[in-house]
Amino acid sequence: EIVLTQSPATLSLSPGERATLSCRASQSVSRYLAWYRQKPGQAPRLLIYDASNRATGIPARFSGSGSGTDFTLTISSLEPEDFAVYYCQQRSNWPLTFGGGTKVEIK
Amino acid sequence: QVQLQQWGAGLLKSSETLSLTCAVYGGSFSGYFWGWIRQPPGKGLEWIGDIDHTGTANYNPSLKSRVTISVDTSKTQFSLKLSSVTAADTAVYYCARSRVSGVDNWGQGTLVTVSS
Repeated sequence: EIVLTQSPATLSLSPGERATLSCRASQSVSRYLAWYRQKPGQAPRLLIYDASNRATGIPARFSGSGSGTDFTLTISSLEPEDFAVYYCQQRSNWPLTFGGGTKVEIK
Repeated sequence: QVQLQQWGAGLLKSSETLSLTCAVYGGSFSGYFWGWIRQPPGKGLEWIGDIDHTGTANYNPSLKSRVTISVDTSKTQFSLKLSSVTAADTAVYYCARSRVSGVDNWGQGTLVTVSS
């Protein structure tokens, strides 16, 4: 099973600031990595797929990069709705797995 | 616009079988995987398994001995059964539509609580 490790566990930032989230895989997942945002009490929402492609309706402030074992999600300027938990997920190997999450909180 | 509507029992006793169903409204039923994902309270996400319209299913090895996912294409529904539940199975269970690109549609979630 591929283990995804996200860091940091918590990121304290202010609205308008830039957020950089990391996801590291225990073995190569090529570019088969997705990112999700989960607001409290809601289901996750797909943000990025295949490492760097924005999903339908996702604003340009979200960008993804990386390949192999190291990936980054960047939010260029935090909006109020971006204070949430973010998960990465790999589809390279079965079982599909998620990272433990990064909480982006208001500083 | 695809919508996933799920239902099932929310309170179970240890050793009982969890049973949830998800109905798909709108869009095509073929060409996707239809899956189940769970999230224990305050914790992260775990992929349980998924199935396509032909009935080909994939299960997480950690749960495989207890899980059955089935599909009814005539009703555009798919279902989850998890046997011999324990308190460790307490979680919000989501049904979801999975594409090659990722999970792009989710059900509303069902909190299933297992009591001893």
